[in-house]
Amino acid sequence: EAGVTQFPSHSVIEKGQTVTLRCDPISGHDNLYWYRRVMGKEIKFLLHFVKESKQDESGMPNNRFLAERTGGTYSTLKVQPAELEDSGVYFCASSPGAAYNEQFFGPGTRLTVL
Amino acid sequence: AQKVTQAQTEISVVEKEDVTLDCVYETRDTTYYLFWYKQPPSGELVFLIRRNSFDEQNEISGRYSWNFQKSTSSFNFTITASQVVDSAVYFCARPLRGTASKLTFGTGTRLQVTL
Repeated sequence: EAGVTQFPSHSVIEKGQTVTLRCDPISGHDNLYWYRRVMGKEIKFLLHFVKESKQDESGMPNNRFLAERTGGTYSTLKVQPAELEDSGVYFCASSPGAAYNEQFFGPGTRLTVL
Repeated sequence: AQKVTQAQTEISVVEKEDVTLDCVYETRDTTYYLFWYKQPPSGELVFLIRRNSFDEQNEISGRYSWNFQKSTSSFNFTITASQVVDSAVYFCARPLRGTASKLTFGTGTRLQVTL
């Protein structure tokens, strides 16, 4: 069974540009999560999808971040325009059920904003 | 906020040594879950264990064991007879209060096992 995949693995962009990160969850997992780890800090929750609906987006830093999950399958996280403080590793995770279940994580996308 | 604290930033041990990674959590809940994840050099977070607050029995899985102490709000992780393949960053986590799935993580402990 394929795990959670994320694309790209690395992205280097200039401040002010737009970047779109993609996550493909494990097939059949209704729950999809985005997390972010800024350098030297802890991993922080960004948002949670149940199928195509946003269940909780309380961790999204600001309106420069837009997440979508088309048809309840893969998800994208767009940052527009990117700022220096957006640099970090963006993790995606999925789980088959929400309540306290193990979340399966992808390898992350390392975003560097110059 | 209910924090998860991993005070050890980095630990280095020689292969075959035992090592314990500390995790202290804050909670006002009577029911909660705790998790440990491993992040090997490949980058993904690998689930190791989930523990329910009702179950205070310590758990052993091969060379891995976990000591859950509600009295001290700690959920420590011990690797017995460490191996080079255990080198990774280890994270302790718990769901944020009032949520079932919004994980909050400690800052991680980097474990380096050398020959």
